[in-house]
Amino acid sequence: NAGVTQTPKFQVLKTGQSMTLQCAQDMNHNSMYWYRQDPGMGLRLIYYSASEGTTDKGEVPNGYNVSRLNKREFSLRLESAAPSQTSVYFCASSDFVLAGGYTFGSGTRLTVV
Amino acid sequence: DAKTTQPNSMESNEEEPVHLPCNHSTISGTDYIHWYRQLPSQGPEYVIHGLTSNVNNRMASLAIAEDRKSSTLILHRATLRDAAVYYCIPLTSYGKLTFGQGTILTVHP
Repeated sequence: NAGVTQTPKFQVLKTGQSMTLQCAQDMNHNSMYWYRQDPGMGLRLIYYSASEGTTDKGEVPNGYNVSRLNKREFSLRLESAAPSQTSVYFCASSDFVLAGGYTFGSGTRLTVV
Repeated sequence: DAKTTQPNSMESNEEEPVHLPCNHSTISGTDYIHWYRQLPSQGPEYVIHGLTSNVNNRMASLAIAEDRKSSTLILHRATLRDAAVYYCIPLTSYGKLTFGQGTILTVHP
């Protein structure tokens, strides 16, 4: 199983450009999440989707939008990138019915110049 | 959300046991105790979780205090690959993972 797949792995944007980070999971999990991790810091939750068709804000949602396209896919969009959004972005999925843990992707390293 | 306290860093020698402590005195009765680790330049990785009883899996053991105000992650024989940041996270059944600073584990050959 691939688990959680994120694309792209690396991206450099100019200030004001837009882009969408893609995330897909093949574990039939109901819930999906987007986190960001700044250098030397812990992960912070941006948005999450508890189930298909629902999305909610996390701790740091400003400057981002999300789309739960279907049960497998959860995308994160930066409409107008800013240098403060330079970070590593992680997507994760989980299934509370199974009372298991979260599975994380390998991350997207984004630099905004 | 329950607050956690973990040592900033710990060191171990290869092939020795490691006991990583976590205090979570404000944990609610329905919070699971999750442990994750993050290897350098990788995403977090689920290690183990439990509610009241001690738990074992192929990666580690989790010892939970009887009053549930603390827990200890036990790596039975540390390897160099176990060098990572370890996060202890109380989590409700339908909650969301909230990461603190974690414990940086250094393993010496």
